[in-house]
Amino acid sequence: DAGVIQSPRHEVTEMGQEVTLRCKPISGHNSLFWYRQTMMRGLELLIYFNNNVPIDDSGMPEDRFSAKMPNASFSTLKIQPSEPRDSAVYFCASSFAMTSGDHNEQFFGPGTRLTVL
Amino acid sequence: SQQGEEDPQALSIQEGENATMNCSYKTSINNLQWYRQNSGRGLVHLILIRSNEREKHSGRLRVTLDTSKKSSSLLITASRAADTASYFCATDASTGNQFYFGTGTSLTVIP
Repeated sequence: DAGVIQSPRHEVTEMGQEVTLRCKPISGHNSLFWYRQTMMRGLELLIYFNNNVPIDDSGMPEDRFSAKMPNASFSTLKIQPSEPRDSAVYFCASSFAMTSGDHNEQFFGPGTRLTVL
Repeated sequence: SQQGEEDPQALSIQEGENATMNCSYKTSINNLQWYRQNSGRGLVHLILIRSNEREKHSGRLRVTLDTSKKSSSLLITASRAADTASYFCATDASTGNQFYFGTGTSLTVIP
């Protein structure tokens, strides 16, 4: 297995533009997580899905952020409109959970480094 | 706020020495996990310890968990330059769906 795949690896955009980050989890995993990492705030869980259903989105900063998981092998995190303070590294991770509340070993993707000018 | 707090924030040791990092958390947990992150990379899972376990080993890693003190420690024995990375604890809260990463310890092993 290629592991968790994220695209793009780097994204530079201007304030106000829409940004879409993509993630392909490991085949067979049923939980998917989106994280944001910055020097100031560390690693923050934004949202996670179990069996394609959003379980906890309390970490999503505001309405400009949205995430979807249309099927077991694909998820997107969208920021519209983007702002300079959204600049961060965004990680996607996947795991296998027996129940929606389980949190076991997570496998991380390489991350997308987003810069909003 | 974040669930876990690592201590120290930064640690620098000589190759061959042992490195100890601590993690404190706030609420009851199902399990606690340790992850490693090399600069510019995603996190890699090291070890998971469940709330009913007190100690766990994996190679040169030793993790302890004290649920009464809400704390855990990660010991890396006989450190190597390749162990240089940031180390994070993460907690799976026993109520709700919360999963938090701590602030991390930056470890530098000097060859």
